[in-house]
Amino acid sequence: AQTVTQSQPEMSVQEAETVTLSCTYDTSESDYYLFWYKQPPSRQMILVIRQEAYKQQNATENRFSVNFQKAAKSFSLKISDSQLGDAAMYFCAYRPQETSGSRLTFGEGTQLTVNP
Amino acid sequence: GAVVSQHPSWVICKSGTSVKIECRSLDFQATTMFWYRQFPKQSLMLMATSNEGSKATYEQGVEKDKFLINHASLTLSTLTVTSAHPEDSSFYICSASPSSMNVQYFGAGTRLSVL
Repeated sequence: AQTVTQSQPEMSVQEAETVTLSCTYDTSESDYYLFWYKQPPSRQMILVIRQEAYKQQNATENRFSVNFQKAAKSFSLKISDSQLGDAAMYFCAYRPQETSGSRLTFGEGTQLTVNP
Repeated sequence: GAVVSQHPSWVICKSGTSVKIECRSLDFQATTMFWYRQFPKQSLMLMATSNEGSKATYEQGVEKDKFLINHASLTLSTLTVTSAHPEDSSFYICSASPSSMNVQYFGAGTRLSVL
């Protein structure tokens, strides 16, 4: 069974600084998808970034980028120029490369605080 | 991105009553939808996978008679919490994925409070 581990229950960063959230996973599959979701106080789950395992290039979305290390089964999220609106719970998630009916496996989450 | 609508956002009910939560995909069809439960400061726990036109698949430990799921169309899945009790109070979230994409989009969630 796949597992996703986020070893940092809480992180904090100063506004405008950079922070990296860690995520490791375990799978025997070679093709899969990885995601970072953000859950602000409103509790709406928002997709931040996704990575296809077959792509070597790390995904980037504006201030958000990932460091995907397939051999190490590591998928960290880097947030640059942190903003107050980035404060949220961040979940790393894994999904097999099957149809859209495939389930997501979530990590435990990292609560990010952004200090002004 | 695709939009998933979930209703109601907050419901308060008396113990012993049933509550229905709706999850709609507004701009795409979803043969599969997912229902999660989330306790405060914890991750999402998958309760069941809702399949259009067939029975839902429940995760181990989830009572199918307590949490009834109906997925009657390609855009609507409902979760009914039957004979609700205070321990059922929680945050329930649905998600769906367009068949052409590999991303799940989430509803805004429903906060259930059982008195």
